Amino acid sequence: NAGVTQTPKFQVLKTGQSMTLQCAQDMNHEYMSWYRQDPGMGLRLIHYSVGAGITDQGEVPNGYNVSRSTTEDFPLRLLSAAPSQTSVYFCASSPLAKNIQYFGAGTRLSVL
Amino acid sequence: QQQVKQSPQSLIVQKGGISIINCAYENTAFDYFPWYQQFPGKGPALLIAIRPDVSEKKEGRFTISFNKSAKQFSLHIMDSQPGDSATYFCAATYNQGGKLIFGQGTELSVKP
Repeated sequence: NAGVTQTPKFQVLKTGQSMTLQCAQDMNHEYMSWYRQDPGMGLRLIHYSVGAGITDQGEVPNGYNVSRSTTEDFPLRLLSAAPSQTSVYFCASSPLAKNIQYFGAGTRLSVL
Repeated sequence: QQQVKQSPQSLIVQKGGISIINCAYENTAFDYFPWYQQFPGKGPALLIAIRPDVSEKKEGRFTISFNKSAKQFSLHIMDSQPGDSATYFCAATYNQGGKLIFGQGTELSVKP
């Protein structure tokens, strides 16, 4: 039972470097999303997608790009990492007909 | 702009006691209010949820109370156990299967 799989689990970047956080789900869910979790801020929505080829911005999209070429995968790209992007990132998926979101285990990112 | 406000930020309860976490929302279009539970190093997982057409929902030791006129809802954990120690997030949404707006989170510690 894989569910939502995020890789890597931990990453350290230098300011200005780029990287892609991977997210894959095997439940054939239409809806996928990325959140960042910061102390005292809860989870804030970065980007989301309601299906392959369709993406939209959430609350805090600046500095992040996404694409959705398949139902299964929803990668999050940091083009030029900044210390303010130090956070724990969660990917989630959900069937559009239901309100239950299934979260991955998270990626802990540090930008120095 | 924080559309869902959660309190307290942290809570310490003795084993067997009642844990109460409160949330308030602003957008009257919200029509689904879930609570998520997160253990350290894990992603959040759906615990219990309510729609605004009912005032209370109970599942085992967990109860949501909902006050539509006050735009407030709360989670009550009866007979709290050390295994309930986790971070709890309230959330709200107005699109079925769509994006969730989370509260800031409450770190609950249940002392033996």
